Amino acid sequence: EPEVTQTPSHQVTQMGQEVILRCVPISNHLYFYWYRQILGQKVEFLVSFYNNEISEKSEIFDDQFSVERPDGSNFTLKIRSTKLEDSAMYFCASSSLGTAFSGANVLTFGAGSRLTVL
Amino acid sequence: AQSVTQLGSHVSVSEGALVLLRCNYSSSVPPYLFWYVQYPNQGLQLLLKYTSAATLVKGINGFEAEFKKSETSFHLTKPSAHMSDAAEYFCAVSEAGNQFYFGTGTSLTVIP
Repeated sequence: EPEVTQTPSHQVTQMGQEVILRCVPISNHLYFYWYRQILGQKVEFLVSFYNNEISEKSEIFDDQFSVERPDGSNFTLKIRSTKLEDSAMYFCASSSLGTAFSGANVLTFGAGSRLTVL
Repeated sequence: AQSVTQLGSHVSVSEGALVLLRCNYSSSVPPYLFWYVQYPNQGLQLLLKYTSAATLVKGINGFEAEFKKSETSFHLTKPSAHMSDAAEYFCAVSEAGNQFYFGTGTSLTVIP
């Protein structure tokens, strides 16, 4: 069964450092997403991406965050200067449909990348 | 505004007993509702979804959920728990497809 893969599974970094989390979505999916889950809290939406541009983003997704699809397969989340409060599990997801086609959009998630900022 | 509340961050049941995981939602329009499961070191896997068709939705692994508009609930049930059901369960609501709003999750422990 097709799956979304994320690397690294766990990254430890110093505050102020740049971090890039990588995701390989399902090959025929067109919509890509990043979510995060701070320990003990809800899974929160960060950003959605379609046709090489951001389609929607939350207030969490400030100027420190950026996303990119550098080639035909990878989808990356960059945190420019990490803060302690960025420590979380980051989930990538992809889907074949978007709001133009169906409200019952199903997202396929990766296993997550755990980021620890010291 | 949409939101999801999952009552009970931890639920323990005996093997063979009924599993009931609670989810209440708020939504200004008819929602789409989902249950996802997360096994250790794995991603979020779709269990089932409600898309305004039948109010009783059957999913994988014997799970089902019933949409009750009057109670704004979408509780997840399974008649008989199995050891392999031990995992984290997330309820989610979506109005327009792209943004999912998740609950805080419920950790299910199955006692042999």
